[in-house]
Amino acid sequence: DAKTTQPTSMDCAEGRAANLPCNHSTISGNEYVYWYRQIHSQGPQYIIHGLKNNETNEMASLIITEDRKSSTLILPHATLRDTAVYYCIVLTRGATNKLIFGTGTLLAVQP
Amino acid sequence: GAVVSQHPSWVICKSGTSVKIECRSLDFQATTMFWYRQFPKQSLMLMATSNEGSKATYEQGVEKDKFLINHASLTLSTLTVTSAHPEDSSFYICSARDAGWEQPQHFGDGTRLSIL
Repeated sequence: DAKTTQPTSMDCAEGRAANLPCNHSTISGNEYVYWYRQIHSQGPQYIIHGLKNNETNEMASLIITEDRKSSTLILPHATLRDTAVYYCIVLTRGATNKLIFGTGTLLAVQP
Repeated sequence: GAVVSQHPSWVICKSGTSVKIECRSLDFQATTMFWYRQFPKQSLMLMATSNEGSKATYEQGVEKDKFLINHASLTLSTLTVTSAHPEDSSFYICSARDAGWEQPQHFGDGTRLSIL
C-alpha cells in the first residue's frame, strides 16, 4: 500500500491561500490521491481527488507533480471554518478499495 | 451530493449492554460500506468492510463476535457492539461509496459511544 507523509501541523492566516503538501513516493500508476478533512467531532468530509492531472472544484485545487510522488492541496482563501485535520490518502486498490487514514495535517487558520 | 446518515449521534449506556448503530446512504445505493473507530487525539482506524448481502470483512485485530455488522440492504448497514465495556467507548464512523472503486467515499457524522 502506498503510504503518505504529511506535516503534523500548519498555520495559515485567514483570507490567504493554504497550501498543504503530501508525499506519496511509492504510489502506483493507477492509484488515486484523495483529500479529506475532519473538523473536530465530525465525520471526515471529502474534498477532492485526482490521478495525474491537476483538479479543481468549489472547495479546493489539487496539484499533482508530474512524477506523481507528491501533491499539494490548495485552499484559495482560507477561513476560520477551514481549521481541521486534513488527510491525504492514496486509495488502496483491490476488491474493497479501503481508505486508510494516516495522522494528517492539523491546519489552524488564524484570524 | 451524496449523503450518509448515522444514528444515533450519541449513546450512553451501562457496561454489558449491546448497542446498535445505523448507517444509511440517503440518496444513493451502496454495495459497500465501511466502519471506522476513532479514539481521542488519534486518527480513524478501519474496523471492517460491510458488503451488502454477504459477510463483513474485518481488519486484523478486530473481533467479529464483538462488533457485529449487518448490511441487509443497499442503503443500510448496522454495527452492533455486543456486551459493551468502557474500553469500547469511542467515536464510531461509517462511510459509503456510490459506484466505481475510484469514486469518493462519503462519511456519516459519527456516533459517540460512552460506556459507563
